[in-house]
Amino acid sequence: DAGVIQSPRHEVTEMGQEVTLRCKPISGHDYLFWYRQTMMRGLELLIYFNNNVPIDDSGMPEDRFSAKMPNASFSTLKIQPSEPRDSAVYFCASSSTQTRGSYEQYFGPGTRLTVT
Amino acid sequence: DQQVKQNSPSLSVQEGRISILNCDYTNSMFDYFLWYKKYPAEGPTFLISISSIKDKNEDGRFTVFLNKSAKHLSLHIVPSQPGDSAVYFCAAISRYNFNKFYFGSGTKLNVKP
Repeated sequence: DAGVIQSPRHEVTEMGQEVTLRCKPISGHDYLFWYRQTMMRGLELLIYFNNNVPIDDSGMPEDRFSAKMPNASFSTLKIQPSEPRDSAVYFCASSSTQTRGSYEQYFGPGTRLTVT
Repeated sequence: DQQVKQNSPSLSVQEGRISILNCDYTNSMFDYFLWYKKYPAEGPTFLISISSIKDKNEDGRFTVFLNKSAKHLSLHIVPSQPGDSAVYFCAAISRYNFNKFYFGSGTKLNVKP
């Protein structure tokens, strides 16, 4: 299995530009999560989906952030317009109700976003 | 307000000695805890977990201890190896929503040869 795939791995953009981060979850997983990692706050859950439906977006910092999951194998996290304080590493993770015994989430390698 | 806290940003240990990483939580509804390990430029990977009905779980060199009354858990690595050098995240789950992980800010462990 290829694991969770994220693209791009690095993104440098200027303030005010739109940024789109992409994620392909592990095949067969029905939960998908978007996290943000910063030095001060560690890993924060932004939003998660179950069977492509957003369940909890209470962690999304503001309206500039949006996430979609058009099908079971693809999700996007969009920031429009981007600001320097959005600079962080963004992780996508997935999990399956078939392996609920461990509650484990499987993380992608992350996208390092720098907004100048 | 962070509900899971790792108050030590970094820890340095000599190879072969014990590494102890600590984690505190504030929410008494948490009843399942996990430790994740993260190498640079990689995503976090699951290491070990513990349910609140236990006070200890062991897996090879890794042992997690849970003290519910103190709302504290710790990860012991014995013996520590240079390959254990990584950032370790503690995470907690509530019985009401096992999908919502609350992570700490991480502790960077450096194991010196």
